[in-house]
Amino acid sequence: EAGVAQSPRYKIIEKRQSVAFWCNPISGHATLYWYQQILGQGPKLLIQFQNNGVVDDSQLPKDRFSAERLKGVDSTLKIQPAKLEDSAVYLCASSLVPYEQYFGPGTRLTVT
Amino acid sequence: GNSVTQMEGPVTLSEEAFLTINCTYTATGYPSLFWYVQYPGEGLQLLLKATKADDKGSNKGFEATYRKETTSFHLEKGSVQVSDSAVYFCALSGTNAGKSTFGDGTTLTVKP
Repeated sequence: EAGVAQSPRYKIIEKRQSVAFWCNPISGHATLYWYQQILGQGPKLLIQFQNNGVVDDSQLPKDRFSAERLKGVDSTLKIQPAKLEDSAVYLCASSLVPYEQYFGPGTRLTVT
Repeated sequence: GNSVTQMEGPVTLSEEAFLTINCTYTATGYPSLFWYVQYPGEGLQLLLKATKADDKGSNKGFEATYRKETTSFHLEKGSVQVSDSAVYFCALSGTNAGKSTFGDGTTLTVKP
């Protein structure tokens, strides 16, 4: 089966610019997760969707980050405006069995 | 809140040596516990899981036992290979245990 797809794979932007990441989960997986992974640290959950509803967004910096999952399939994560500390790998994961997550390759964001 | 603490790396072993990577956790409720692995240049992959106390997860020669009394989920392998060189992440999550939480990862290097 096809895995979790993410794009772009790499993005370099200047601070205060905006950026969007896209994720296509494994077909049939109702749960979708976005994580931020800073170099040398483990992934930190930003937001979790169940179908197109938000289960947890307690660690999403809502003043600058937003995410949506239209029709319960694809999802986009947006940062506006970006800060230097947003430089990280943004991971998307999906699951069918609760919390048994399949990860995409990630998007490496560099903010200069 | 939930937290996962892994032994600090990097860990360097010779081929066929015994591996232990320690993981302890703090969580509300009754979480499921996971080990994920990230091989060089690849995304995170689920290695094994355990969903309740005293369960043993196993895969590819790796094992970990869910110890509720010591809040631990240590990863072990009897004889490591060069191909096991990767970063290993311990994680917890569950419907009644709050959001997914990852440790900071332990880098394993196996030398021939």
